Amino acid sequence: QEQLVESGGGVVQPGRSLRLSCAASGFSFVAHGMHWVRQAPGKGLEWVAGVPSDGTNRYYADSVQGRFTISRDNSANTLYLEMISLRPEDTGVYYCAKGLSPGSWWFFDVWGRGILVSVSS
Amino acid sequence: EIVMTQSPATLSLSPGESATLSCRASQNVNSHLAWYQQRPGQAPRLLIYVASARATGIPARFSGSGSGTEFTLSISSLQSEDFAVYYCQQYNDWPLTFGGGTKVEIK
Repeated sequence: QEQLVESGGGVVQPGRSLRLSCAASGFSFVAHGMHWVRQAPGKGLEWVAGVPSDGTNRYYADSVQGRFTISRDNSANTLYLEMISLRPEDTGVYYCAKGLSPGSWWFFDVWGRGILVSVSS
Repeated sequence: EIVMTQSPATLSLSPGESATLSCRASQNVNSHLAWYQQRPGQAPRLLIYVASARATGIPARFSGSGSGTEFTLSISSLQSEDFAVYYCQQYNDWPLTFGGGTKVEIK
């Protein structure tokens, strides 16, 4: 069974850093592009960042460009999101999501349960 | 970035009725559009991709149509589990963007 499990969330002060992890199982992680999608409390979905299967190029939303870094360790079947200079508006549930197939990785067929990040003083 | 606009914001319907949800893109996205369903307290679930292809395990009462800038998600004969929020997402260009969502609620 394909599964994604996020970890590393919590409460952090504005300006501080946090690293999220996403452990993948049940599918060939190395073959799929991966993404982070977030959802502010009571709001809609916002795509945050994506990385293809080989980890070469990385793509970001304008709102996080320069502050967040997506990366992956294919040997450990793990996706990461390094977040620095956090702002209150970064508060929300962060989902790890898998691209459908190696050739079509820009939409998401498997999602984790999400992890809460709260940026507050 | 491509702005996705969904309408209506809320749709109030009774079980057994049909639902029609709209999604408009601010520029041409070809058929590079996906639809998701999100039930309260759950992660989103992929319903439709390439505008009209149903994802694995999605019932036939869900159908998608459209291309370019205008898209529709149709749900025939609403079941209790279909009352949820629905999002469209374009993947024609970076950054990937979602619509604001349509909530389908029980009338």
